[in-house]
Formats: sequence, structure tokens, C-alpha cells
Amino acid sequence: SQTIHQWPATLVQPVGSPLSLECTVEGTSNPNLYWYRQAAGRGLQLLFYSVGIGQISSEVPQNLSASRPQDRQFILSSKKLLLSDSGFYLCAWSSGGQGMIDTQYFGPGTRLTVL
Amino acid sequence: AQKVTQAQTEISVVEKEDVTLDCVYETRDTTYYLFWYKQPPSGELVFLIRRNSFDEQNEISGRYSWNFQKSTSSFNFTITASQVVDSAVYFCALSEPFSGNTPLVFGKGTRLSVIA
Repeated sequence: SQTIHQWPATLVQPVGSPLSLECTVEGTSNPNLYWYRQAAGRGLQLLFYSVGIGQISSEVPQNLSASRPQDRQFILSSKKLLLSDSGFYLCAWSSGGQGMIDTQYFGPGTRLTVL
Repeated sequence: AQKVTQAQTEISVVEKEDVTLDCVYETRDTTYYLFWYKQPPSGELVFLIRRNSFDEQNEISGRYSWNFQKSTSSFNFTITASQVVDSAVYFCALSEPFSGNTPLVFGKGTRLSVIA
């Protein structure tokens, strides 16, 4: 069966510091991968998605970036965090293929607080 | 443009009551998928159901049921005999897989509180 991992689970960082959140998927090959952010009390915002190694689509221009160095690894980064980057970051995966038909399954999330 | 509206921000019910969570969607595509996810206090989104646009049959899974009506662009979710463990935020979502748009668009969610 497939599992998705995210770490760290929680993170407290000062403004201006760098960020690296990691997401890995087990039990599947060539998945589509996604990063979402959920601000406190709000809905989910898609940040990035990837259909393959090195292929990243950005949905929202901001100071965050994403990379996919391996088939089942998705990394969310920032060089300098802003207060507005605080939130709950969720990684998701779906089966790869045309049209992104399949269901997205979510990881446990990382709660980021920027002070 | 794709859009999902969950008009109910918060709902509070007493245990054993039935409750319906509303979801209205907008799409120009004929092929689309609708989803419901549950987000308990732990934060992880749990997949509940997926329905494609060509299947309007209602679905029942235990105490959960879903009513999909294309005529009103709605995909409502009913919990029968609610329990405290049903307390969570529930999200409705829309996918237009062949449109080139955002892969999955979520509504703002409905927070359900079930009181013992």
C-alpha cells in the first residue's frame, strides 16, 4: 500500500530564515505530487505540483520554491521566510498519468510558525 | 472558471442528529470529478469519496451519504446519526482533469461540531 510522509511535523522559524520541508511517497512509482498551504482558519491553496522529476508547476507567485530531485521526493523551500508564510503545509500524491484524473491523498502535514 | 462554494462555515449539532453539508460547484467542462475530504483536529486530510460527472447515482457508506445533482450543480454530504468523532472540517473539491486548470479546487470548508 502507498504511504506519504512529511517532515518535520512542526517547525518554528524566525523571519528571514531559510526553509526546507520534505515529502516522500512509498509504494508507488511516478506519482503526481502537490504542495498545499492552509492558513489558519482558511481553505487550501495549491502552491506547486509536479508530474515528474524536475517538472514543477507553480500556482501562486511567492517567495517559495519547490523541487523534485527524485521520483518520490518533493521538497518545498524558501530562502527567506516571511511572517505570512506561517501555516499548515500539506503534501499530496496521486497516480501519475494524463489528465490528473486520480484522487489526491494527503500527508500528515507540517505546521510552520514564522516569528 | 472552476469554483466550489460551501456556504456553511460552521455547523453545530447534538449527537445522533442528522446533518447535511452543502456543496455547490461551477464548471464549464462536461468531464469533472467531485470529492469530499475530512480534516479532523490532527490536520491530515482524509479522502471520503470521489464522484465523476457521468455518475449521478447517490452513494451510501455506513452513516455517510452523498447526493449528486447536476441540475443544481450540487454535491451534498449527509451524516446520519452524527457522532462526536464526526467533528471535523469537511472540504468539497472539484477537479477538471482535461482543462489544464488547477488540478483540484477546494471549497473553504465547513466546520462541523458534534456535541455529546
